[in-house]
Amino acid sequence: EPEVTQTPSHQVTQMGQEVILRCVPISNHLYFYWYRQILGQKVEFLVSFYNNEISEKSEIFDDQFSVERPDGSNFTLKIRSTKLEDSAMYFCASSEVRGGEQYFGPGTRLTVT
Amino acid sequence: KNEVEQSPQNLTAQEGEFITINCSYSVGISALHWLQQHPGGGIVSLFMLSSGKKKHGRLIATINIQEKHSSLHITASHPRDSAVYICAVGDTDKLIFGTGTRLQVFP
Repeated sequence: EPEVTQTPSHQVTQMGQEVILRCVPISNHLYFYWYRQILGQKVEFLVSFYNNEISEKSEIFDDQFSVERPDGSNFTLKIRSTKLEDSAMYFCASSEVRGGEQYFGPGTRLTVT
Repeated sequence: KNEVEQSPQNLTAQEGEFITINCSYSVGISALHWLQQHPGGGIVSLFMLSSGKKKHGRLIATINIQEKHSSLHITASHPRDSAVYICAVGDTDKLIFGTGTRLQVFP
């Protein structure tokens, strides 16, 4: 069964460093999402992406964040200068149609020290 | 802005019990999702529904659009059902998540 994959599973970085989180969505899906979950809190929407551009972003998704689909398979989330409060689990998701069922990757645990 | 509330926050059950988890939301939606999150963190979609009722194995999800309320039922619960169950509502291009219900089923 097709699945969303994410790498790395765990990333430790120092405050101020740039990180890139990678996702490979399901191959025939057209809509891509990033969510994050701070430990002990609920999952929060960051950004949605379709047709090579951002379709919606949350207040969390400020200028420090960017997303890219550099080739036909990868979907990346970049955090330019990490802060302690960026420590969280980051989930990538994809769906075939707008508003359709979303399939989640296993997540990347980001720890900023 | 849609608010998603779940109850209870925590639920403990004995194996075999019938489980109900409730979700209410504040603004009309296109669809409601029930998801399962295991201790390792991974999120799995269980149901997506916009009306009526859906069943998959021992899981049943219902939604009442007029009352802005949904329930997830687990029949004949089993220890392997132990997880966090999350209700999320579809809002244009994103999901808005509830805080989750932590379920523990003991043998």
